[in-house]
Amino acid sequence: KAGVTQTPRYLIKTRGQQVTLSCSPISGHRSVSWYQQTPGQGLQFLFEYFSETQRNKGNFPGRFSGRQFSNSRSEMNVSTLELGDSALYLCASSLSVSGEQYFGPGTRLTVT
Amino acid sequence: AQSVTQPDIHITVSEGASLELRCNYSYGATPYLFWYVQSPGQGLQLLLKYFSGDTLVQGIKGFEAEFKRSQSSFNLRKPSVHWSDAAEYFCAVGYTSGTYKYIFGTGTRLKVLA
Repeated sequence: KAGVTQTPRYLIKTRGQQVTLSCSPISGHRSVSWYQQTPGQGLQFLFEYFSETQRNKGNFPGRFSGRQFSNSRSEMNVSTLELGDSALYLCASSLSVSGEQYFGPGTRLTVT
Repeated sequence: AQSVTQPDIHITVSEGASLELRCNYSYGATPYLFWYVQSPGQGLQLLLKYFSGDTLVQGIKGFEAEFKRSQSSFNLRKPSVHWSDAAEYFCAVGYTSGTYKYIFGTGTRLKVLA
């Protein structure tokens, strides 16, 4: 089975722009979670989707949003980018809401 | 609030030496427990998991972990470390609080000396 894929792998944006990141889960996995990883804050949970419904949300401002499509693919959007949004954004999928998570390689976002 | 603690930020061991990475959690019941490894610039790879049953679990790459309920711990071990094990290791806990949630420790960076 193919693993979790994330596109793009690298992205450079300027402050004030918006960005959309994409995640394709492992085939058959219906739960997709997003994390932000930075050297100072570690892994921080953004949100989780299951069957197109957001089940959990972390403590991030409303500039961070996401959605899940009927084929379980997910996107996250960050509007009005700030320098502090520079991070590795990781997507993880699992078969069920309480199963182990499998991670993609991440999208490295740099905001200048 | 539920939490996961990895007390060691950095650990350095010599190649061939044994390794133990510590993980403690705070949760009223027995959670699901996981260890992940992350190489630089990469995503996280699942090493092993504990849901129930035998408290000593075997994982990939020669790693094992032991769940100790009395100590709320889930320490990761490897009898002989290889230079390729140098990476960052994360302990994670899955628990139910309304909905099922997943939290990660802050990670332990392992350096291996040749």
